[in-house]
Amino acid sequence: AQSVTQPDIHITVSEGASLELRCNYSYGATPYLFWYVQSPGQGLQLLLKYFSGDTLVQGIKGFEAEFKRSQSSFNLRKPSVHWSDAAEYFCAVGSPGANNLFFGTGTRLTVIP
Amino acid sequence: GAGVSQSPSNKVTEKGKDVELRCDPISGHTALYWYRQRLGQGLEFLIYFQGNSAPDKSGLPSDRFSAERTGESVSTLTIQRTQQEDSAVYLCASSLERGTGTQYFGPGTRLLVL
Repeated sequence: AQSVTQPDIHITVSEGASLELRCNYSYGATPYLFWYVQSPGQGLQLLLKYFSGDTLVQGIKGFEAEFKRSQSSFNLRKPSVHWSDAAEYFCAVGSPGANNLFFGTGTRLTVIP
Repeated sequence: GAGVSQSPSNKVTEKGKDVELRCDPISGHTALYWYRQRLGQGLEFLIYFQGNSAPDKSGLPSDRFSAERTGESVSTLTIQRTQQEDSAVYLCASSLERGTGTQYFGPGTRLLVL
């Protein structure tokens, strides 16, 4: 069965500092991986996705993520966080032919001045 | 349309009442999904529609939950005899393709059952 683990419930970083949000997945084959961001009162917005090819994927808002098969991870990174990045971040996994995505429980990011 | 829309944005109801939630997907998107997000939790898949195919109802938590979609248009999620544990944000998403297609989410309906 597919599952996604986001081990960090809440992370606080200073504005301008680097960020890494962890995501581990469980799936038998190569998964399709996604990162979504949810700002307060907003719907989920896709940051980036990995289907195949280059394991380092670039997304919107300066985010990137790296697929590491050996570690079953797809961690999200940003070199310099902005106050507007404060939000809830969800990692999700899908697979070819699947009807839905499996989401992690989310990581809430707080950015302090 | 510009994006996925959902209505109402908020709904407060009494235990035992029925509620109906609406989702307008992006025009041309054949796939439509409903998810439930309880406070502090990730998204929980409920149901999936693809064109005129039979829906995937495998995520519906009980027979009090049902959903309909006519063709590739609006979908309604109905919860009968609501319980307090149904309180959550109900999110709708649509995509051009099933499974791997990027899902575009609506803002959700926040349901509170008193």
